[in-house]
Amino acid sequence: DADVTQTPRNRITKTGKRIMLECSQTKGHDRMYWYRQDPGLGLRLIYYSFDVKDINKGEISDGYSVSRQAQAKFSLSLESAIPNQTALYFCATSEDDSYYGYTFGSGTRLTVV
Amino acid sequence: GDSVTQMEGPVTLSEEAFLTINCTYTATGYPSLFWYVQYPGEGLQLLLKATKADDKGSNKGFEATYRKETTSFHLEKGSVQVSDSAVYFCALKNRNRDDKIIFGKGTRLHILP
Repeated sequence: DADVTQTPRNRITKTGKRIMLECSQTKGHDRMYWYRQDPGLGLRLIYYSFDVKDINKGEISDGYSVSRQAQAKFSLSLESAIPNQTALYFCATSEDDSYYGYTFGSGTRLTVV
Repeated sequence: GDSVTQMEGPVTLSEEAFLTINCTYTATGYPSLFWYVQYPGEGLQLLLKATKADDKGSNKGFEATYRKETTSFHLEKGSVQVSDSAVYFCALKNRNRDDKIIFGKGTRLHILP
């Protein structure tokens, strides 16, 4: 099994619908992150969490919310999806030290029509 | 704030050519530096890293040297293969509580047989 698992892998949804993207990890890391990737814009941070009770907004949090249900689970919700939220979404985890990079999930490709 | 700038792509090379992808950064203090690679349809994978000045990170024939005097971390490979075709991201992580990874926008590399 992958260290960081994202579900679903692909999703098409309609404008205005609520959708949840899920992320679970077996790394035992406290820190978890949600990014979106758009062509030409690289990766942009949506939300991040340093532990279950510590959740922070990233640079593009508007229109998104998150829930850290447990150390291993970090979900991203789009309360009312809009077409410009069509993107590739990645979850990542890291150790509590700047020497280490992130471990990424395989991504969720979301299309809002 | 901290930032990463990398050369725009796409970069197209013939197999066995020499590769350089330029990356410069702006950061306070002494960040750790990373190169990530994203193969088609996959998440980002850590390719190599360096945690202090003059360190050289290496993996799979790729190398990058942490140059504090020029604030650079250029990625090089002496002889590329078709299988190296991917998107490459330069990134930094600074050493404070809020040590999120900051990514460059990515450089797409095409290797022609």
